[in-house]
Amino acid sequence: DGGITQSPKYLFRKEGQNVTLSCEQNLNHDAMYWYRQDPGQGLRLIYYSQIVNDFQKGDIAEGYSVSREKKESFPLTVTSAQKNPTAFYLCASSSTDRGNSPLHFGNGTRLTVT
Amino acid sequence: KNEVEQSPQNLTAQEGEFITINCSYSVGISALHWLQQHPGGGIVSLFMLSSGKKKHGRLIATINIQEKHSSLHITASHPRDSAVYICAVRKYSGGGADGLTFGKGTHLIIQP
Repeated sequence: DGGITQSPKYLFRKEGQNVTLSCEQNLNHDAMYWYRQDPGQGLRLIYYSQIVNDFQKGDIAEGYSVSREKKESFPLTVTSAQKNPTAFYLCASSSTDRGNSPLHFGNGTRLTVT
Repeated sequence: KNEVEQSPQNLTAQEGEFITINCSYSVGISALHWLQQHPGGGIVSLFMLSSGKKKHGRLIATINIQEKHSSLHITASHPRDSAVYICAVRKYSGGGADGLTFGKGTHLIIQP
């Protein structure tokens, strides 16, 4: 079955450490997205990519980095520069960008930094 | 004021009840999405609509572009419908870098 796989489901890190969250899709989608979800807030876009080897900052990109070396993979690195990294992170993909095609989401990674 | 407002924030109902969740927005849009987030965190896209009405099983989504309002209805609700329902709009201009602005979600609990 096609879908998006995020790993791990839960991640614990010490403050000051970089951590990379995995996102893989086998839907042959061009566009991929990383969102952050905090309690009581709507999803916020961190980074997105429309094509391999290209990506753009979203609304809250500071302290994060991404790469898109393969169409099916879009890993997110939470760096030590991110002031408040504890959150739920969701990866998504769509066949075209700009929100006019259905989004497919992974099951998310819950990151806790202490 | 948020550009996308959902109501109610929380809703508890009995199994079998007809459920309505509302989404109002204050900007021009080209599309509106309804998403369902399960207790484990995964999100499923339910509907994407730009006009009229769509139906899938017990779920119905409607949108009134003139009134800038959309509703998600669940008929014959069941405990497995318990989830957070999220409304997101694709703005004609602005919005997030992906063109989407998300509501904060409606937390629905269906009791047996």
